[in-house]
Order: sequence, then structure tokens, then C-alpha cells
Amino acid sequence: AQKVTQAQTEISVVEKEDVTLDCVYETRDTTYYLFWYKQPPSGELVFLIRRNSFDEQNEISGRYSWNFQKSTSSFNFTITASQVVDSAVYFCALSELDTGRRALTFGSGTRLQVQP
Amino acid sequence: EAQVTQNPRYLITVTGKKLTVTCSQNMNHEYMSWYRQDPGLGLRQIYYSMNVEVTDKGDVPEGYKVSRKEKRNFPLILESPSPNQTSLYFCASSLSGTPGDEQYFGPGTRLTVT
Repeated sequence: AQKVTQAQTEISVVEKEDVTLDCVYETRDTTYYLFWYKQPPSGELVFLIRRNSFDEQNEISGRYSWNFQKSTSSFNFTITASQVVDSAVYFCALSELDTGRRALTFGSGTRLQVQP
Repeated sequence: EAQVTQNPRYLITVTGKKLTVTCSQNMNHEYMSWYRQDPGLGLRQIYYSMNVEVTDKGDVPEGYKVSRKEKRNFPLILESPSPNQTSLYFCASSLSGTPGDEQYFGPGTRLTVT
């Protein structure tokens, strides 16, 4: 069965520090998708990125970057020069091709606190 | 504006009093689902619907019902709410339910059952 582990429950950094949020997944499928969502204090879920299992290229979007490594089943998320507005709970999620429910399997989330 | 709406956003109720949380999307999406979010557990799927009149159980369906009579609406029904259903609920939709589809989430409904 699929599983997503975010071992870091809470991380606290000072503004301008770089921070990496870890995500490790388990799946038996060869075709799957990985996602990151941000949940700011207001509570909504904000989509950040989607990656399919055949695309191991790292991605950079402004201060955000993602490192996908199939060899270690990890899809880590780095925020460079963190800002107070980055304070949120971040979820990693997995979706498998063979799962009829089309559900997203979420990790338990990592709460990031960026102090000024 | 493309969006998923949920109502109410906040609800405090008592054990056993039936309630409905509405969910509506304006993107003509076929796939809709409900999740609940609990501390330390992330989000877990309650029910999903691949299209009108097609619904099925997710990971945690006990105590919930759904219906999909119209494509745009997917209400979540708690016939006899209990305190363990206190949670943050999200409705989501995607174009076809294909795993690679981006799922659009509603703003969430915070439910407290006393």
C-alpha cells in the first residue's frame, strides 16, 4: 500500500535561512505522481508542484526547489532565503495510477515557522 | 473564477444532530472527493465520486454519506455526528480523476461536535 512519511513534525528557522522539508514515499506502482501543498494559517490548501515518476529532473521556481530521487524514494522541498510568509504547514502527497479511488495519500505534514 | 466552494466554513453542533456540508465546483469536473484533516494524520479520503450517481468509499467512510445528483455538487452528510468526527473537512475536485490531475480544494469546513 502507498505511504508518505514526513518525519519532520515542526521546523523553526530564522528569516533568510534555507530550509529543506523531507518527504519519503512508498509505492509498488511504477507510475505515480507526487505533490506538495502549502497550508497557510488561513487554512486553505495551496498547490505547489506535481511531479510524475518518469521525470526526475529537479525543479526550481523562484525561492522554491524540489529534489526528486527515485533511488531513495524521496521528494524533498527546499525553500531558499526563507521569509515569514513561508510559515505554514507543508504536505507531501502521492497519487498512484493503479489506485481506483484516485485518492491523494498525504503525509502528516511539516509545520514550518519562520521567525523574523 | 474557477473554484470549489464549501458551506458552512465553521460549524459547531451537538452529538446526533444530522448535518450536511455542501460542496460545489464550477469547473465541470467529473471527479470530486471529501477529505478530513486531523492533527498528525494529514488528510484522509472519506468518499469520492467519479461522476454523477457514481460514489464510493475512501479510507475513512464510517459515519458519513454522500450523494452526487448533479455534476457540480457533492454534499457530505453526517446522519448522527459524534465527537470523533470533529475535524477539518476539505472537498476537492479534478477534471477526470486521473492521478496526474491537479486536485482543486475548497477552503475547508471546521466542524466541532460536542
